[in-house]
Amino acid sequence: GAVVSQHPSWVICKSGTSVKIECRSLDFQATTMFWYRQFPKQSLMLMATSNEGSKATYEQGVEKDKFLINHASLTLSTLTVTSAHPEDSSFYICSATGLAGLTDTQYFGPGTRLTVL
Amino acid sequence: DQQVKQNSPSLSVQEGRISILNCDYTNSMFDYFLWYKKYPAEGPTFLISISSIKDKNEDGRFTVFLNKSAKHLSLHIVPSQPGDSAVYFCAAGKYGNKLVFGAGTILRVKS
Repeated sequence: GAVVSQHPSWVICKSGTSVKIECRSLDFQATTMFWYRQFPKQSLMLMATSNEGSKATYEQGVEKDKFLINHASLTLSTLTVTSAHPEDSSFYICSATGLAGLTDTQYFGPGTRLTVL
Repeated sequence: DQQVKQNSPSLSVQEGRISILNCDYTNSMFDYFLWYKKYPAEGPTFLISISSIKDKNEDGRFTVFLNKSAKHLSLHIVPSQPGDSAVYFCAAGKYGNKLVFGAGTILRVKS
């Protein structure tokens, strides 16, 4: 159990375009989803925390207008990178935690490799 | 402010021996600790967790030890296998709040 999927697994786009990444919890309802990015040889950097039906909470230094997060249902959160630039190229990973009664274990998706040309 | 630190960037162990990965934290309010394993270009995989009310949790070859007074936790893998070669992240947090991750330790298990 506790499977999280991401789509797409990789995407290449032109500078200035927008890219949407989906994160789905497949076998549990995710009350909270997290979005991370990871640069090569570096740790996971939390970008934002989203709870179903409410606005995401962004970490300091993360542009909320650039990284739009929507958590419309208990199984789906989306991250849209708007007007992407080469410096946005990174590995984006989502994670999800379940309903009360379960632990706060975050289960991660497989990640999405974004390359902006 | 690094609240969770993994001071060893890498560790090399012979197959069959014990691997010990260490993690230190500074926030005494943390009450939940986890270890994740990550392969390149994949998302982290949950390995094992421990609550602050315990000092040990075991799951198969993996054991996590928590020393609250020293603000230190460790992951023991016995016996180590080549497939265990990966990056290991420790994470800590308070229940209901976000986790803070360490920088990771690369484990290489040699056959």
